[in-house]
Amino acid sequence: DAGVIQSPRHEVTEMGQEVTLRCKPISGHDYLFWYRQTMMRGLELLIYFNNNVPIDDSGMPEDRFSAKMPNASFSTLKIQPSEPRDSAVYFCASSLVGTVGEQYFGPGTRLTVT
Amino acid sequence: AQTVTQSQPEMSVQEAETVTLSCTYDTSESNYYLFWYKQPPSRQMILVIRQEAYKQQNATENRFSVNFQKAAKSFSLKISDSQLGDTAMYFCAFMKLKLTGTASKLTFGTGTRLQVTL
Repeated sequence: DAGVIQSPRHEVTEMGQEVTLRCKPISGHDYLFWYRQTMMRGLELLIYFNNNVPIDDSGMPEDRFSAKMPNASFSTLKIQPSEPRDSAVYFCASSLVGTVGEQYFGPGTRLTVT
Repeated sequence: AQTVTQSQPEMSVQEAETVTLSCTYDTSESNYYLFWYKQPPSRQMILVIRQEAYKQQNATENRFSVNFQKAAKSFSLKISDSQLGDTAMYFCAFMKLKLTGTASKLTFGTGTRLQVTL
């Protein structure tokens, strides 16, 4: 199994531009999570899906952030417009309902907004 | 809301020695899980060990074991026979179980940076 796949691994963009982060969960997993990691705030959950349906998006910072999961094998996190304070590492993780808490993380996308 | 506190920002241990990382949490939930995740310099988050709150027996995984004190809301990680490859950030995390017994989000502590030295 290839594990959770995220792309791109690094993204540098200018303030005001749209940024799209991509995630492919482990095949067969029915939960997908998006986390953000910063020095100031640590690791925080942005949103998670169960069977492609958003369950909890209370961590999404503001309307500039949106996430979709059009099918079981793909999810996107979009920031529009991006701001320098969005600079962080964004992780995607997936898990299987029968293995509570064993979330498998992707390698993360390091986003830098200048 | 749940909070997870790791009071040791950094720790150092010599190779082959034993080290204990501390974690406390605050919750009013009765059904939950606790975890330790490891983040090496590669940035990949890796599950180290998991503890179900309803189990009194402390979880162990090879050289890793926990001391779970439910009443004190304490969940420490012990690493025995430390190896250079154990150098990483270690995060304690909490997950409450929904009434359906299914997963919910992980709440992480701020992490402890562990350096294993020769």
